[in-house]
Amino acid sequence: GAVVSQHPSRVICKSGTSVKIECRSLDFQATTMFWYRQFPKQSLMLMATSNEGSKATYEQGVEKDKFLINHASLTLSTLTVTSAHPEDSSFYICSARAGRRSSYEQYFGPGTRLTVT
Amino acid sequence: GIQVEQSPPDLILQEGANSTLRCNFSDSVNNLQWFHQNPWGQLINLFYIPSGTKQNGRLSATTVATERYSLLYISSSQTTDSGVYFCAGGTGGGNKLTFGTGTQLKVEL
Repeated sequence: GAVVSQHPSRVICKSGTSVKIECRSLDFQATTMFWYRQFPKQSLMLMATSNEGSKATYEQGVEKDKFLINHASLTLSTLTVTSAHPEDSSFYICSARAGRRSSYEQYFGPGTRLTVT
Repeated sequence: GIQVEQSPPDLILQEGANSTLRCNFSDSVNNLQWFHQNPWGQLINLFYIPSGTKQNGRLSATTVATERYSLLYISSSQTTDSGVYFCAGGTGGGNKLTFGTGTQLKVEL
């Protein structure tokens, strides 16, 4: 149980284009989903928190107009990188938390490696 | 936000050896998780352990919430244990996780 998928696993795009990444909770309903970014040899940095049906909350320094997050249902959240540039190249990972009050445990997707040329 | 310190940053073990990884938090947390990141980047949940002790096979973890630290024990290490181990903690109701800098573990034959 508690499986989270991401699609695509790897994407290469040209500078100036937009890329959409999907995050799905496959066997549970996720009231809250999180998006992280990881550069090579570094730790994960939280970008934003999204709750189903409401606007995402972005961490300080994350451009909300560049990284559009939509949490349209209890099993799907999307991250769109708009007008991507080479510095946006990174490993993007989503996680999901079920609504159970007894646990704050997060389950992570396999990640999406974005390369902007 | 909270600060999370992990030690050691790097660790090389011979197969069969035991090890202890440590995580210190700057503030009390009500969410604490340990992960193993495999070579393909997937984070594998090892323990959800805001307090107490848990064991799963050769791995065990202990969190002393009042002292703001957690320990991950790996016994009889195997080459497949190699990778990066992260701890992460969160506070409050929103429960954002702050990750430590990780421990890079290499287990050699």
